[in-house]
Amino acid sequence: GQQLNQSPQSMFIQEGEDVSMNCTSSSIFNTWLWYKQDPGEGPVLLIALYKAGELTSNGRLTAQFGITRKDSFLNISASIPSDVGIYFCAGQSPGTYKYIFGTGTRLKVLA
Amino acid sequence: SQTIHQWPATLVQPVGSPLSLECTVEGTSNPNLYWYRQAAGRGLQLLFYSVGIGQISSEVPQNLSASRPQDRQFILSSKKLLLSDSGFYLCAWKGLVNPHNEQFFGPGTRLTVL
Repeated sequence: GQQLNQSPQSMFIQEGEDVSMNCTSSSIFNTWLWYKQDPGEGPVLLIALYKAGELTSNGRLTAQFGITRKDSFLNISASIPSDVGIYFCAGQSPGTYKYIFGTGTRLKVLA
Repeated sequence: SQTIHQWPATLVQPVGSPLSLECTVEGTSNPNLYWYRQAAGRGLQLLFYSVGIGQISSEVPQNLSASRPQDRQFILSSKKLLLSDSGFYLCAWKGLVNPHNEQFFGPGTRLTVL
């Protein structure tokens, strides 16, 4: 079945640093979604991507839809303590209603 | 605007007892609806999804079932809970308007089976 590899699994960074994480798929997606989940809450949608090569920003967050349609990247600039949480990528294959989720990147920001 | 509700927020049930979790969506019509389970510290596992009333697709053989009795209502059930059913259950919806394939999650239900 489809697999979605997300890396890194976890990272500790200093406040103010930039963060990068990525997801790679074994098959083509037509949609990439990035979420943030705080403990005990449902994931919150951060950015949605629909076209290969698309680059979209949401405040300090920037995500890109890879040109091969098999990968996506999320960057967070100038991290702050409230960026702490788990970030998930999710992809949707053409012609399906399902989303495949990555295993998550746990981000911890050191003040 | 659209909102999604789940209840209860937390639930503690004994092994062998039945289960019913409810999810409702407001502010949209004919959404796709999804049930996920998340084990502690893990990713999201798709359990069921529905593209319309009475239509249920099951992703993982298990002790659970789902039903969609109304357009914006999605129910997750079990006749007899197992210890392994413990987890964080998330309902999600997606509208039908393309290219907006965004999927939005509810607040979740924390289920503990003892």
